Parts: sequence; C-alpha cells; structure tokens
Amino acid sequence: GDSVTQTEGPVTVSESESLIINCTYSATSIAYPNLFWYVRYPGEGLQLLLKVITAGQKGSSRGFEATYNKETTSFHLQKASVQESDSAVYYCALSNSGGSNAKLTFGKGTKLSVKS
Amino acid sequence: AQTIHQWPVAEIKAVGSPLSLGCTIKGKSSPNLYWYWQATGGTLQQLFYSITVGQVESVVQLNLSASRPKDDQFILSTEKLLLSHSGFYLCASRDWGVEQYFGPGTRLTVL
Repeated sequence: GDSVTQTEGPVTVSESESLIINCTYSATSIAYPNLFWYVRYPGEGLQLLLKVITAGQKGSSRGFEATYNKETTSFHLQKASVQESDSAVYYCALSNSGGSNAKLTFGKGTKLSVKS
Repeated sequence: AQTIHQWPVAEIKAVGSPLSLGCTIKGKSSPNLYWYWQATGGTLQQLFYSITVGQVESVVQLNLSASRPKDDQFILSTEKLLLSHSGFYLCASRDWGVEQYFGPGTRLTVL
C-alpha cells in the first residue's frame, strides 16, 4: 500500500533559524499522487498548509515551501526563518486519487517547537 | 466557506457500550465526506467515505459502521466498543478540489 515517512519529532529550533522537515513517500496505487502538508496548531483542528498536484512544482504558504520531487519521491517542508507561532504538529500526506474515493495517507506527524 | 462541526468534543466510554459520533457540514452542498481515526501514537487513517446520501464505503475494518442520513451529516457508530477504538476521530469534507478539509475532531477514551 501507500506510505509516508517523515522526520520523527519532536523537533526544536530557535526563532529565526531555518527549518526542514523531511517527507518521503511510496505510492503503489498511483504513479503521481497529490501531495500535501497539513498542520495542527495547539488547540486547533487539522488544516491544510500547502498542496502540490504536479510533479516538479513547488507549493508555498505562510513562508513555508515544499517541492514535489518524483525522482527522489520526496516532499520536504522548508522555511527560511521560523517564528514562535509556527510551533505545531506538521503532517505530510498523499492522495491516491482525484476521485470521490480519494484516500489521504498520512505520515506520523512531526511536532515542532520554536524557542524564542 | 464550509465549516465542519463534530460532536461530541470528547467522550469517555466503557468497553462494550455503544457509540455514536456525529459530523455536520455547512456551506457546501453534496460534499464527499470521510471519517479518519488516529490511535494514540499512531497514524491518521481513513475509515469510511461517502459521496452521497445513503451511500457509505468502508476502507478499513475496525468493527465500526458509518451512515449518511442527510446530505450534510455523517455518523460513525458501533454497538460494542473495544479498547482499541480509543483515539482521535476526524471528519473531513471535500468539494471540487483535491484537498480535504477537516473538522475539529472527537477524542474517544474507552476504559
């Protein structure tokens, strides 16, 4: 089946430092899955951070970016300078379909703590 | 913009007791709906999906069932809870795009 592996947390970085959370995927049900990063801030629900549906493209949001690399089957999340408000749990996910039965396969999540 | 409401926020139940969790979607007609579950320390996994009223497909067998009695409502239930049912349950909705939007979730503890 499909699977997603991401950086095991928790990850702690200082404010204004750079961040990378690694994500690699294995998709057996579809050649080019849709890729997503979701985020759960403390006390809030799971929300979409960014998505990329075309291999080779980059997605960005709130200063975060991720590039869909089909050669290395990776979708790493990066930010040049983190803020304390970025403290959250980040989930990498893939979708096996664009149809109604689309299933999201998630990584285990990476808890990020940003120190001021 | 669509909003997703889930109830209850949290539940503590005894093994063998029945369960019903609910999800209501506002602001979108005829959405595709999904139930996900995350065991403590585990990975979020999809349990069911529904594309229309009265139709539900099971993705993972966990001795749970789901129903869609109305266009904007999705129910997850079981007649007999197991310890292994503990965890976090999320309802999700999808409209025309490929992304799914999630509700706030229900925390279930089975004792």
